Amino acid sequence: KAGVTQTPRYLIKTRGQQVTLSCSPISGHRSVSWYQQTPGQGLQFLFEYFSETQRNKGNFPGRFSGRQFSNSRSEMNVSTLELGDSALYLCASSPGQRLEQYFGPGTRLTVT
Amino acid sequence: GIQVEQSPPDLILQEGANSTLRCNFSDSVNNLQWFHQNPWGQLINLFYIPSGTKQNGRLSATTVATERYSLLYISSSQTTDSGVYFCAVYNTDKLIFGTGTRLQVFP
Repeated sequence: KAGVTQTPRYLIKTRGQQVTLSCSPISGHRSVSWYQQTPGQGLQFLFEYFSETQRNKGNFPGRFSGRQFSNSRSEMNVSTLELGDSALYLCASSPGQRLEQYFGPGTRLTVT
Repeated sequence: GIQVEQSPPDLILQEGANSTLRCNFSDSVNNLQWFHQNPWGQLINLFYIPSGTKQNGRLSATTVATERYSLLYISSSQTTDSGVYFCAVYNTDKLIFGTGTRLQVFP
């Protein structure tokens, strides 16, 4: 089976812009979760989607949002980018909640 | 919320040495995973281990959920083992990551 894929792999944006990141899960997996990794805060949970519904949300401002499509592919959006949003954004897929998660290669976002 | 602490934070080894990485968590968890993050940022699954012991080649892991800790053993380390090792626990249906152990293996 193909692994989790994320696009784009690298992105440079300017403060105030918005960005959309995409994640395609492993075939058959219905749960998709997003994480942010920064040197200062480590790996932090953003949100989880299952069957197009957000089931869990981490402690991030409303500028961070996401959605999941009927084919389980997911997107996350960050509006009004700030310098502190520069990070590695990781997506993970799982057959269901609390089951083993498999991560994609990540999207490295730089905000200037 | 739950605290997940890993020790040691940094580890430097010569090729062929053995090591033990520890993960302590402050509350009960549903499940636990160990990952290796390579220099390109990819998180590679090592173990999915809510309790008991598992082995995969030179690596093995033990989780004692009742005592709230897990251990990752690396034997006969190789330079390709270098990177950051994370444990992550499921609590309140979220995967919470530890702070990581940075391992450097020199030839």
